[in-house]
Formats: sequence, C-alpha cells, structure tokens
Amino acid sequence: GNSVTQMEGPVTLSEEAFLTINCTYTATGYPSLFWYVQYPGEGLQLLLKATKADDKGSNKGFEATYRKETTSFHLEKGSVQVSDSAVYFCALRKEAGSYQLTFGKGTKLSVIP
Amino acid sequence: DAMVIQNPRYQVTQFGKPVTLSCSQTLNHNVMYWYQQKSSQAPKLLFHYYDKDFNNEADTPDNFQSRRPNTSFCFLDIRSPGLGDAAMYLCATSRSPLDNEKLFFGSGTQLSVL
Repeated sequence: GNSVTQMEGPVTLSEEAFLTINCTYTATGYPSLFWYVQYPGEGLQLLLKATKADDKGSNKGFEATYRKETTSFHLEKGSVQVSDSAVYFCALRKEAGSYQLTFGKGTKLSVIP
Repeated sequence: DAMVIQNPRYQVTQFGKPVTLSCSQTLNHNVMYWYQQKSSQAPKLLFHYYDKDFNNEADTPDNFQSRRPNTSFCFLDIRSPGLGDAAMYLCATSRSPLDNEKLFFGSGTQLSVL
C-alpha cells in the first residue's frame, strides 16, 4: 500500500537557520506529492505540491522537489522565521482522480528568536 | 471568515456514551471528509460524502457513522466511544474529488473519552 515517512520531530531551529524536513514515500505508479502546514489552533492547509517527477513546488519561501529516483519530497527553506513554527505534513495522492490522500505523521517545527 | 467550522473545539464524553461532532462549510463544496488524527499519528480518512453519496473507508469501524443533511453540514456520530477513539477529528471539504489536494480543513475537534 501507499505510505509516507517523515523525519521525527520536534525540530527546533533558531531564526534564519536553514530548514530541511525529510519525506520519503512508497507508492506504485506516479503519485502527486504535497506538503501541508498546520499552524497552532488552525486546520491543515496546502503549502505546496508537485505532480510529476522533477517538479519543484514552492510557496512562502518553502521548496520541495519531486525525486522519483529516491522516492523523496524533502521540504526546505533557506531562512526560517518564528512565524514558520507549525506542524508540517507530507502527503501523497496515488493518482489523478483519487480522493484518497495518505499523510505522514507530521513534523513539529519550533523556531526560536 | 472561517470557511470550514467545527464545533465544539473540545469535546469530552464518557465511555460508551454516544457523541456527535459537527462541521459546517460556507464554500458550497461538493465533497466533505472526516479524518481522525491520533496523537503523533498521521490523519486517517474515515469517510467522505460526495454530494449525498456516502463513501466509507474499508477499515473504518462500524462505531463511526456520518450524516450529511444538506450541502453545508456534515456530522460525525460515534455510537459507543471507547478510550481508543480519543483523537482530533478533522473535517475538510473540496470542490470535487478531482482537486482534493486543495482541501479546506476546519480547526478540528479534540475528543476526550473518560
């Protein structure tokens, strides 16, 4: 079956540090890949996505590249801010038209001033 | 401005006492989903409605039911909550199943079972 594995948290960084949150997946075919973010007290919201190999998703300074050869979709940001403190979820959709999203367990990020 | 609203934010129930969680949306989306998220685990899809069509996931326990009386509202009923049902319950919507990555989530209801 499909699965998503994220690095264990929590992750604590100082402001302006470089961020990487690792995500690898297991799926047949050509899944679409996503990163969701959940700020404290709020629902999950889509941060970025990539729908085919070598695509790069980007938003709010965050980037992730769909690497089929390593089945990875690592999230990166060059300089984090306190406001980036949240829980980040990697997810995949097996195929276009599928309603089923498979989430990772989430990685909590805390950014300290 | 909240588009997907879940009430209450925190719900406490007793072991075996039926409980209902509610979700409403102002987006007029066709699809509404219920996810269960246990502590330190991934959100897990329980079921979804596409308009009035109910779609249950194969491994969702019979203890969990859902109702969608109209486009705006969807309810999650837990008939006999057990201690293992304590979790965050997330409601989400999408315009159609085809663009379900652009899910709009509510802020969730944290359910405690005593």
